Amino acid sequence: KAGVTQTPRYLIKTRGQQVTLSCSPISGHRSVSWYQQTPGQGLQFLFEYFSETQRNKGNFPGRFSGRQFSNSRSEMNVSTLELGDSALYLCASSLPPTPNSGLAYYNEQFFGPGTRLTVL
Amino acid sequence: GENVEQHPSTLSVQEGDSAVIKCTYSDSASNYFPWYKQELGKGPQLIIDIRSNVGEKKDQRIAVTLNKTAKHFSLHITETQPEDSAVYFCAASRWPGGTSYGKLTFGQGTILTVHP
Repeated sequence: KAGVTQTPRYLIKTRGQQVTLSCSPISGHRSVSWYQQTPGQGLQFLFEYFSETQRNKGNFPGRFSGRQFSNSRSEMNVSTLELGDSALYLCASSLPPTPNSGLAYYNEQFFGPGTRLTVL
Repeated sequence: GENVEQHPSTLSVQEGDSAVIKCTYSDSASNYFPWYKQELGKGPQLIIDIRSNVGEKKDQRIAVTLNKTAKHFSLHITETQPEDSAVYFCAASRWPGGTSYGKLTFGQGTILTVHP
């Protein structure tokens, strides 16, 4: 089974530009979460999508947005890039438990290799 | 919100020794605690997890313990090998979802170096 794929793997942009990153989850996975990883702040949760709906959002400005398509693929967009947006952006996919499945069925998150974004 | 503290930030051991990494969490409602290993140029890889209804879990050379009263959990790696060298992250989450859907709160990471 193929893992989580992210494209592109590397990206260089300049301040003020916008960028779109793509994530394809493991086949059959319907939940996609996005994280930002930096040396200073570590791994921070951006948002989570399931069935094309954003169910949860972290503490990031509105310049960070995302969406999910009917095939569960997800994209995230960062507008008006700042130097501080330079980071590794990771997505993770999982099989979401059903509402009544309880703790025993919490499903693991599987991460992709990430997209390394450099803002100059 | 949840806060996860991880120690130590760096850990250096000789091949064959044991390594222990400790994490504490702040939200008593957290009930799922995974550990991830991240190698250079790769995304985090889940190596073991524990749920709040158990106190310990083992998988070959790796074990995790959970103390809900003290709100801390630990990763134990025995008989370390050079290929165990990587950055290790602990995380915490709460299920069922609500405001926690898809959200893992991570510790700051531990750089483990195993010397041959």
